[in-house]
Amino acid sequence: RKEVEQDPGPFNVPEGATVAFNCTYSNSASQSFFWYRQDCRKEPKLLMSVYSSGNEDGRFTAQLNRASQYISLLIRDSKLSDSATYLCVVNPVSGGYNKLIFGAGTRLAVHP
Amino acid sequence: DADVTQTPRNRITKTGKRIMLECSQTKGHDRMYWYRQDPGLGLRLIYYSFDVKDINKGEISDGYSVSRQAQAKFSLSLESAIPNQTALYFCATSDSDRGFTDTQYFGPGTRLTVL
Repeated sequence: RKEVEQDPGPFNVPEGATVAFNCTYSNSASQSFFWYRQDCRKEPKLLMSVYSSGNEDGRFTAQLNRASQYISLLIRDSKLSDSATYLCVVNPVSGGYNKLIFGAGTRLAVHP
Repeated sequence: DADVTQTPRNRITKTGKRIMLECSQTKGHDRMYWYRQDPGLGLRLIYYSFDVKDINKGEISDGYSVSRQAQAKFSLSLESAIPNQTALYFCATSDSDRGFTDTQYFGPGTRLTVL
């Protein structure tokens, strides 16, 4: 089983739609969680961290469910510019250093 | 100017050739990383370095070596390239002061093709 699993998509949605992605992780001791965004042929960039209480940044909401070991990303009012691959990233507790485990990504295509 | 730069951006080489990919950063971060990305797979860690005198293997270090020449420079070498090393390679940095919540900052990537 992969340490971090995501539905690869693609999710094809019209502008203005609400779309949600889920991601599951296998290490129950994982400490911190992130969503990174990667545009086609570009480098990943941090979109947002995911906190236990859930957090929101504009149209983006991230949730963490430790009991079920999944995190989610909700995008409201989708824009064409949201088209990208969204990477779920988990920092497991291992040796006391910062190591990130990346999911393979979920591709989102927003169309007019 | 970009904070994390990689050279070359694209490279096509032949099996058996020695290749070096270079990474430089102006963020002043201590920690640097090399990843590779393959279609359908997440980024996988090749090597990482927490300071100039610290080098550690990641999950897929076989066939690769690294050199941390300075705080700002971290190079990745393929001693004898093989076709399954064809991939997109990313360098990244992070700030050691932030512990487990480090954000990683990626370079633009090097697309390597081994024929």
